[in-house]
Amino acid sequence: DVKVTQSSRYLVKRTGEKVFLECVQDMDHENMFWYRQDPGLGLRLIYFSYDVKMKEKGDIPEGYSVSREKKERFSLILESASTNQTSMYLCASSLQGQDIFYNEQFFGPGTRLTVL
Amino acid sequence: DAKTTQPNSMESNEEEPVHLPCNHSTISGTDYIHWYRQLPSQGPEYVIHGLTSNVNNRMASLAIAEDRKSSTLILHRATLRDAAVYYCILPEMYSGGGADGLTFGKGTHLIIQP
Repeated sequence: DVKVTQSSRYLVKRTGEKVFLECVQDMDHENMFWYRQDPGLGLRLIYFSYDVKMKEKGDIPEGYSVSREKKERFSLILESASTNQTSMYLCASSLQGQDIFYNEQFFGPGTRLTVL
Repeated sequence: DAKTTQPNSMESNEEEPVHLPCNHSTISGTDYIHWYRQLPSQGPEYVIHGLTSNVNNRMASLAIAEDRKSSTLILHRATLRDAAVYYCILPEMYSGGGADGLTFGKGTHLIIQP
């Protein structure tokens, strides 16, 4: 069974802390994505990557950075967490295709992050 | 992403077919129509996608209007496990810059009655 796993389901951090959210996929997918989901705002793309060490900004990259050192792992980093980064964070992966957003995306279960 | 319009919620009985509509009147000729669903406390899950012809897979069928301005996701025999929020999306081709990825709107909250 194909899988995208995220390091934590729930996380509580303090304002100013550096936060690492890890995502691992076992499907040998080229593309990986980080979204956040907030009530009333739907899903918003933070960053994505189409290859190892490659990263591209999504719609809302401010306050975040990413790292992709290995094909199966894509990390989201909050350099200095703030209360407005309290959200559900979703990782996804997909195969390379005719366009990066056209192929089926497989999502992880999400990490609910609370910043106090 | 091109805009889509879906009903906020729909209700159906278990073991009956469900037809979930989506309007996308501004769709372009190259836009694919994707459907995802999100079960409670889970990440979204791909359901089906199509371009012009109707599509079937093990989860559902997708009926696309001839003018492509609307589509309908069909669950042939709903079960309680199909209770979820269903999203109709038209992903934009990536052209660089700040990308939107999959833009999920509010979707349709499907309620299944036993």
